[in-house]
Amino acid sequence: DAKTTQPNSMESNEEEPVHLPCNHSTISGTDYIHWYRQLPSQGPEYVIHGLTSNVNNRMASLAIAEDRKSSTLILHRATLRDAAVYYCILRGYSGGSNYKLTFGKGTLLTVNP
Amino acid sequence: GAGVSQSPRYKVAKRGQDVALRCDPISGHVSLFWYQQALGQGPEFLTYFQNEAQLDKSGLPSDRFFAERPEGSVSTLKIQRTQQEDSAVYLCASSLELTSGGANEQFFGPGTRLTVL
Repeated sequence: DAKTTQPNSMESNEEEPVHLPCNHSTISGTDYIHWYRQLPSQGPEYVIHGLTSNVNNRMASLAIAEDRKSSTLILHRATLRDAAVYYCILRGYSGGSNYKLTFGKGTLLTVNP
Repeated sequence: GAGVSQSPRYKVAKRGQDVALRCDPISGHVSLFWYQQALGQGPEFLTYFQNEAQLDKSGLPSDRFFAERPEGSVSTLKIQRTQQEDSAVYLCASSLELTSGGANEQFFGPGTRLTVL
């Protein structure tokens, strides 16, 4: 399975943008890039996903490099409630064991007031 | 709306006891997953159901772990003769689509924290 690499931790200030990087140099042409986050004492929750084009939703934006070997999750204005572990996950389009999520250790985001 | 619920939220067991963890997925969701999360680690896949069929149990750590979903809705993860290394948070997730890959989102419950003394 293609792997992802994320920094162990990052820190941000409240109301400022946050850019969370993810490297996935062995990504295949049919792998989707998913982001989940896990708030303290909760299960993971879906944030966003994309394939090739940049994506926006109410929670965040996902910027995907042209060669797809890296991506960046962007929180436009961090709040204290965004403090969580953020996971970058690759999922194949179909076949194999694409049904399951393979989590790494993720990035622990701390938001300072 | 109702999300994925799990019970109990916390369970303390003595080594050697059997435990049963329950998951109520979102109504109508075909796919159901169990994950195990050790302290400080990301969740790890245990098993996958499509309706009542268990299609993948490759992540179950040993034959002491057993999962079922007899009517294609509620699922139970059972651990027999618990050991200290079984202490972890057990997460359940469900997904609407038949084949959960690609673009499909998984919805997670809050987890059951199991502590084996």
